Amino acid sequence: AQSVAQPEDQVNVAEGNPLTVKCTYSVSGNPYLFWYVQYPNRGLQFLLKYITGDNLVKGSYGFEAEFNKSQTSFHLKKPSALVSDSALYFCAVRAPGQNFVFGPGTRLSVLP
Amino acid sequence: EADIYQTPRYLVIGTGKKITLECSQTMGHDKMYWYQQDPGMELHLIHYSYGVNSTEKGDLSSESTVSRIRTEHFPLTLESARPSHTSQYLCASSEFLDNYGYTFGSGTRLTVV
Repeated sequence: AQSVAQPEDQVNVAEGNPLTVKCTYSVSGNPYLFWYVQYPNRGLQFLLKYITGDNLVKGSYGFEAEFNKSQTSFHLKKPSALVSDSALYFCAVRAPGQNFVFGPGTRLSVLP
Repeated sequence: EADIYQTPRYLVIGTGKKITLECSQTMGHDKMYWYQQDPGMELHLIHYSYGVNSTEKGDLSSESTVSRIRTEHFPLTLESARPSHTSQYLCASSEFLDNYGYTFGSGTRLTVV
């Protein structure tokens, strides 16, 4: 069975500081890993994905994530946070042939 | 933005009413999904479809029903709305291949009074 954990309900960071939103997963086989962002009263928007290849993937709005197979993690990072990054962030995993499993979400607040 | 549309965006309706939430996509995607999103954020899959005339129930038991008569259209119906149905409903679609992500609509926020 697939599962995704986002151990932090809330992450607070000061503007200009680096941010990390954590994600760990459990899946059989090689996973497809995604990050989505949700702004208030909107649907989820795609940020980035890992399918295969380089463990460090870069996505929209300056975000990046590192796939760590041994730790079964896919943490989302950004070197310098903006107030406009404040939103809900969802990690999602997909095993071949299966639907996505979404994590419970992490609320990111970037303080000016 | 995304080529997947949900209507209405907001709906307040009385208990016992029948409602249909609309979802349409113009991308020709085979797979479509309905999620219910708690006020506390978590997403729950309630229905999905892999193509015309194919519908399946998701992980979360729901009193709603869906249909997929056309590729682009995946409406969700509640025969008799109850306050417990108050939630946000998100529709999504994807290509058939697994390495593509989902494209989400903007959601319908339903309040049953």
